[in-house]
Amino acid sequence: GQQVMQIPQYQHVQEGEDFTTYCNSSTTLSNIQWYKQRPGGHPVFLIQLVKSGEVKKQKRLTFQFGEAKKNSSLHITATQTTDVGTYFCAGSSGGSYIPTFGRGTSLIVHP
Amino acid sequence: DSGVTQTPKHLITATGQRVTLRCSPRSGDLSVYWYQQSLDQGLQFLIQYYNGEERAKGNILERFSAQQFPDLHSELNLSSLELGDSALYFCASSLQGGSEKLFFGSGTQLSVL
Repeated sequence: GQQVMQIPQYQHVQEGEDFTTYCNSSTTLSNIQWYKQRPGGHPVFLIQLVKSGEVKKQKRLTFQFGEAKKNSSLHITATQTTDVGTYFCAGSSGGSYIPTFGRGTSLIVHP
Repeated sequence: DSGVTQTPKHLITATGQRVTLRCSPRSGDLSVYWYQQSLDQGLQFLIQYYNGEERAKGNILERFSAQQFPDLHSELNLSSLELGDSALYFCASSLQGGSEKLFFGSGTQLSVL
């Protein structure tokens, strides 16, 4: 079955440093979604990418979808303590609309 | 607030017991998904319903069952509970059940003792 791998599992940064999490799929994806889960909270949708090579920005967050539609990344510039949480990618493929979630990357920001 | 309501927030029970988790989707959403989140398995898809009908099945155990009612709320039934069933169970909803963003509820934390 489809597998979505996400690295790193944890990332500690000093406030103001940049952060990147990477997502790789074993199969070509039709789309990829990104979610953020704050500690003790629930996943909240951030963005969806559909096109090969697509790049989208949300303030300090930059999302990319690979040319082969098998990988994606989320980059945060100048992290803030409010960025703390676990970031999940979720990919759909093979005619299934069900997002398969990666294991997530937990971001810890030290003030 | 996502608009998805899950009850109860916490549930503590014993092995061998049966519990029911309830979910009300966002107003207007026709599709409901159930996910299980545990430290070692991450977010695992269990089952999806669309307008009262089962649409997709994931890694759902035979001891677990679900349904979506005419008013679109959904229930997840977990029976013959084992210690390993302890997890956070999320319900999510979407408009049509296609390639859309999911809105998650706040989850039910199940502890099996």
